[in-house]
Amino acid sequence: KAGVTQTPRYLIKTRGQQVTLSCSPISGHRSVSWYQQTPGQGLQFLFEYFSETQRNKGNFPGRFSGRQFSNSRSEMNVSTLELGDSALYLCASSSEMYRGRTEAFFGQGTRLTVV
Amino acid sequence: AQKVTQAQTEISVVEKEDVTLDCVYETRDTTYYLFWYKQPPSGELVFLIRRNSFDEQNEISGRYSWNFQKSTSSFNFTITASQVVDSAVYFCALSARFQGAQKLVFGQGTRLTINP
Repeated sequence: KAGVTQTPRYLIKTRGQQVTLSCSPISGHRSVSWYQQTPGQGLQFLFEYFSETQRNKGNFPGRFSGRQFSNSRSEMNVSTLELGDSALYLCASSSEMYRGRTEAFFGQGTRLTVV
Repeated sequence: AQKVTQAQTEISVVEKEDVTLDCVYETRDTTYYLFWYKQPPSGELVFLIRRNSFDEQNEISGRYSWNFQKSTSSFNFTITASQVVDSAVYFCALSARFQGAQKLVFGQGTRLTINP
């Protein structure tokens, strides 16, 4: 069974630009969550999508957005990039069947550097 | 509000030593889930264990064991006879019952270095 796939693995962008990151969950998983990891703030929840609907949202500005497609693949977008957006962005997929009784499987992440 | 505290930022031991990683959590939920993840240098978070709040049985998996104590809100992780391959950053995480694995609150992580 293929794992969670995130593309691209590395990205360098300039301040003010926007960026789109992609995540393909494990086959059969309908929930996709996104996390931001930085040395200062650690791992922070961005949002979760299930069946193309945003179900949970973390405490991030509106510049961070996402969407999910009918095949459960998800994208997250960051507009008007700031230096502080430099981070490892991790995507996780999980089975919906038993919510908390399941684990989240993570991809290898996209390392975004804003210069 | 939910919170996870991993007080140990870095631990360094010599191979074959036993090592315990501490995790203390805070939640008002009576039903919740606790997790441990390992993050090797490659970046992905590797799932190690899930524990439900109503199941305080300790668990052992090979060299890994977990001690869950609701009375002290702790979920500690012990590696017995550590190996160099155990070197990684380890995260403890918590989720509320209705948020599930889809929304995790992570501790700051413990960087474990096993020296040969």
